[in-house]
Amino acid sequence: LAKTTQPISMDSYEGQEVNITCSHNNIATNDYITWYQQFPSQGPRFIIQGYKTKVTNEVASLFIPADRKSSTLSLPRVSLSDTAVYYCLVGDKAAGNKLTFGGGTRVLVKP
Amino acid sequence: DAMVIQNPRYQVTQFGKPVTLSCSQTLNHNVMYWYQQKSSQAPKLLFHYYDKDFNNEADTPDNFQSRRPNTSFCFLDIRSPGLGDAAMYLCATSRWDISGYTFGSGTRLTVV
Repeated sequence: LAKTTQPISMDSYEGQEVNITCSHNNIATNDYITWYQQFPSQGPRFIIQGYKTKVTNEVASLFIPADRKSSTLSLPRVSLSDTAVYYCLVGDKAAGNKLTFGGGTRVLVKP
Repeated sequence: DAMVIQNPRYQVTQFGKPVTLSCSQTLNHNVMYWYQQKSSQAPKLLFHYYDKDFNNEADTPDNFQSRRPNTSFCFLDIRSPGLGDAAMYLCATSRWDISGYTFGSGTRLTVV
């Protein structure tokens, strides 16, 4: 399973865009990149998933360069309620769907 | 709404007294997982069921067991809880052909 590296924490202000970069240098050909959000005392929640280039949904965008050795989660115009821990995971759909969590990035949105 | 439900949300147990945590799902997903998450740490996979096939992680203590009597339910049994087992226990489900998990809200276990 590919190892991921993320910043431990990031601070931002309401209305700003937050970009979290995840490094996954040994990503395998069949691996997908998935991001989860976790609030205190809750289970992680799926945010977005991608394989290459750019993926966008109603919550976030995911940018993946051609070499796929990193990815960037972009949260547009954050609000206080976006304060959470964000996890980047890399894994093969077919490998029993076994995902290993890395350290995560604690994002604090300030007023 | 289809979901993953964990009961109870909070569980207090005595040191050494067996405890069972439960998880149910209405998603009809064939894979179910149990994660342990200690304070300020990332979730750590304990084991998972792929249909009826049990898959234990190499570093999961023998103190932790699991049962999956049917597709919808999965249980986590801690045979002799120690103080170090106090944590949030998360249940998750997925389909074999789709990446991405659905997590329950977790059970916070306190050992006294």
